[in-house]
Amino acid sequence: DAGVIQSPRHEVTEMGQEVTLRCKPISGHNSLFWYRQTMMRGLELLIYFNNNVPIDDSGMPEDRFSAKMPNASFSTLKIQPSEPRDSAVYFCASSTDSSYGYTFGSGTRLTVV
Amino acid sequence: SQQGEEDPQALSIQEGENATMNCSYKTSINNLQWYRQNSGRGLVHLILIRSNEREKHSGRLRVTLDTSKKSSSLLITASRAADTASYFCATVETGANNLFFGTGTRLTVIP
Repeated sequence: DAGVIQSPRHEVTEMGQEVTLRCKPISGHNSLFWYRQTMMRGLELLIYFNNNVPIDDSGMPEDRFSAKMPNASFSTLKIQPSEPRDSAVYFCASSTDSSYGYTFGSGTRLTVV
Repeated sequence: SQQGEEDPQALSIQEGENATMNCSYKTSINNLQWYRQNSGRGLVHLILIRSNEREKHSGRLRVTLDTSKKSSSLLITASRAADTASYFCATVETGANNLFFGTGTRLTVIP
C-alpha cells in the first residue's frame, strides 16, 4: 500500500487565491482527518469524516475553509480566499477506527504570500 | 483543541542513553498514542496504549499510562542518532473518534 497520499507537496499562492489540497486515504480506512501544523499552534484537528460523512468540523477556522469527501478514496480541503495566516503544513490522516493508530500523509506545505 | 501537554519541550542526550518524555492530558480517554515526526515529514505512529492498560512495550519503546494522574510517559532505551525527531502524544477521548495532539518533545540524540 502506498499509504496516505497528499498533493501537492508544496503550494505557494498569492493572498486572495483559492487553494485546494487533496488527499487519498488508505483503501479500507473509513475515517479521514485533516490537521494543520504551525509553530505557534502545533497540530490542530480541522475536520474529520467517517464513512465519507463529516462528523466534526469544529476545528475549521472560519468559513473560508471547506472540506469534502465525495467518495471513500478522495478528500479535498479548500481555502477561498487564502490569507497569509493560512500558511502552514496541512496533513491528512486515515484510520480504520480509534482503536488503532492513524496513518498520516507527508503533508502539504502551504505558503500564502 | 490540543489536549496534551508534553514535558520537556526539548531533550538532548548522548547516543546510548535512555530518553524519557512525559505527557499530561485533561479528559477521560479511550486510548493514548505516541507518534514520531522527523523534520519536514509526516507523523509516524509508534505505539498505542488503551485506557485499561498500564504499560506496553514495543522494541526499544516502553509506554506507561496512569489514568488517575492523566499522564503517560514514553521511554526510548539505548537511543540512536536516528531517534532524533519530535515526539507527540495524542489522545482519543472516551466516546469519540478524533485524535488530539500534545505540544511535542524535540529529542536530539548526539552521536
